[in-house]
Amino acid sequence: EAQVTQNPRYLITVTGKKLTVTCSQNMNHEYMSWYRQDPGLGLRQIYYSMNVEVTDKGDVPEGYKVSRKEKRNFPLILESPSPNQTSLYFCASRGMEGEKQYFGPGTRLTVT
Amino acid sequence: DAKTTQPTSMDCAEGRAANLPCNHSTISGNEYVYWYRQIHSQGPQYIIHGLKNNETNEMASLIITEDRKSSTLILPHATLRDTAVYYCIVRAYYGGSQGNLIFGKGTKLSVKP
Repeated sequence: EAQVTQNPRYLITVTGKKLTVTCSQNMNHEYMSWYRQDPGLGLRQIYYSMNVEVTDKGDVPEGYKVSRKEKRNFPLILESPSPNQTSLYFCASRGMEGEKQYFGPGTRLTVT
Repeated sequence: DAKTTQPTSMDCAEGRAANLPCNHSTISGNEYVYWYRQIHSQGPQYIIHGLKNNETNEMASLIITEDRKSSTLILPHATLRDTAVYYCIVRAYYGGSQGNLIFGKGTKLSVKP
């Protein structure tokens, strides 16, 4: 089954404690991205990757890092989380010729 | 990418067709119309997309006006599970921030028994 998986699904952490949210896809997609969703602001892109070792900033990259060492994985790293990063996060992927984007189930992060 | 305008909310009776409108009057010639939906807080789900011809798949139909300034997503027989926020997105197939879907506020569709 084609899918994008994220872990963890729920996370409560404290300010400044580094964390990583993993994302993996099983469709051999070149393109992967991270979004955050906040009430009243909708979904906004954080970072995206066109392929292995190729990443670029989206609309709201401050406070986040990503890496793409393998085609299937695209982890989101918060080096020093702050309360304003409390949000619902989605990973997504698609093929380079594909118009259909697949989204993961979401990770709800709370930073206290 | 062109901006879209959708109604904030709509109701539909279960078993009836749900017709969700979208205005995109500034759409340019190389821009497609995409529809996604988000059920509660799940990940958005692709529904359908089109350029200028009407499209149909197993989930829905997409009707695009001849001038391409508006479109309608049709769920032919809405069920309670179709209750979701529906997003109409216009973007070039290869353009801008590659693959970046700009989600507006969408239409909250409530299907009622």
